[in-house]
Amino acid sequence: SAVISQKPSRDICQRGTSLTIQCQVDSQVTMMFWYRQQPGQSLTLIATANQGSEATYESGFVIDKFPISRPNLTFSTLTVSNMSPEDSSIYLCSAATGLNTEAFFGQGTRLTVV
Amino acid sequence: GENVEQHPSTLSVQEGDSAVIKCTYSDSASNYFPWYKQELGKRPQLIIDIRSNVGEKKDQRIAVTLNKTAKHFSLHITETQPEDSAVYFCAAPLLEYGNKLVFGAGTILRVKS
Repeated sequence: SAVISQKPSRDICQRGTSLTIQCQVDSQVTMMFWYRQQPGQSLTLIATANQGSEATYESGFVIDKFPISRPNLTFSTLTVSNMSPEDSSIYLCSAATGLNTEAFFGQGTRLTVV
Repeated sequence: GENVEQHPSTLSVQEGDSAVIKCTYSDSASNYFPWYKQELGKRPQLIIDIRSNVGEKKDQRIAVTLNKTAKHFSLHITETQPEDSAVYFCAAPLLEYGNKLVFGAGTILRVKS
């Protein structure tokens, strides 16, 4: 299993600013992902964080808005840039040793943009 | 995810009764089907998963059944307890997402004591 530490757990930010969320895994994992979860909704995949190369973004998400880093196998960051109230949501990082294996989740970051 | 449909959206059962949640998926090549439980304010956690080479898997009060022909899989919880109250998500890997997990819309399960 993998234990994922995500921080901050919550933040209230002014519109137009940026927030960087960090995700640390306690073991080397092949895959890391970032999800967004609106309150009471499902998990929507934002992107796959690739170690040593650019992240792979899903439809509707772009690098300029959600830049992602993954400098090594156990750490990734997601930045929410130029925030607006529509970005208010819970952001979750996830890690897995491969496709079709158990995905572990961080505790989430509850972001409120005012 | 629009390619993973989950029903019902809410389910209320009396303590001790059984609960069944069903998901259908669109990609016939999908071969891994996990179920996650998310308690209020907490992270999703895997409760059971099944691979396409078996039709059923059981772990104490929880079971998952898979019908590959019909492209649906179901979560069964027997002898429900108040602590089973949570949101449950199914997921399946879809080719159009690079075989990454796509989650269903979720089912709010309320177990009334």
